[in-house]
Amino acid sequence: RKEVEQDPGPFNVPEGATVAFNCTYSNSASQSFFWYRQDCRKEPKLLMSVYSSGNEDGRFTAQLNRASQYISLLIRDSKLSDSATYLCVMTRGYSGGGADGLTFGKGTHLIIQP
Amino acid sequence: DGGITQSPKYLFRKEGQNVTLSCEQNLNHDAMYWYRQDPGQGLRLIYYSQIVNDFQKGDIAEGYSVSREKKESFPLTVTSAQKNPTAFYLCASTPRPIRQSNQPQHFGDGTRLSIL
Repeated sequence: RKEVEQDPGPFNVPEGATVAFNCTYSNSASQSFFWYRQDCRKEPKLLMSVYSSGNEDGRFTAQLNRASQYISLLIRDSKLSDSATYLCVMTRGYSGGGADGLTFGKGTHLIIQP
Repeated sequence: DGGITQSPKYLFRKEGQNVTLSCEQNLNHDAMYWYRQDPGQGLRLIYYSQIVNDFQKGDIAEGYSVSREKKESFPLTVTSAQKNPTAFYLCASTPRPIRQSNQPQHFGDGTRLSIL
């Protein structure tokens, strides 16, 4: 199983629709999880952290399922400006040593169509 | 303004040449990181530094070198030994090492390196 797996897409979604994507991970020792957004040829930017209890930030809802080792992102009432690549990111789980830093998925490409 | 500044934005390397990418932060952060991103790929960790005067290899350190002589600066040198240097290079910093804080990172706006 790859460390972090995401469907690369693209997801083509009409404006105003709801879209959801998942990410699965293999390292059960990862402590913290995040969704980042990356626009074309730009740096990744933190969208939101992800908690087991689920958390919401406006139109965005994130959820962590530790038992099944996946995280999800739901976008409601999608806007044209939501078009971007969404990266699934997590801490590495440092038991037994290993490098510091975060682990990144390859991203899911989302295109919102007018 | 507090933040992470990377320069240059674009850089071209000739065969056999070493080039240095700059990363400066004025956030008083202890930890700094270099990542590389290839098209359609996730970010991969090159080197990191948890504190000034110390640095460690990441997952793909071969062909790269770093220094951390000042807290605010963490330059990355891409040496001629790096045979495939064309990529988007991103620098990040955090107040404390991620293994201690489990916090997300914020990035500079990156340097695009290409081969001439």
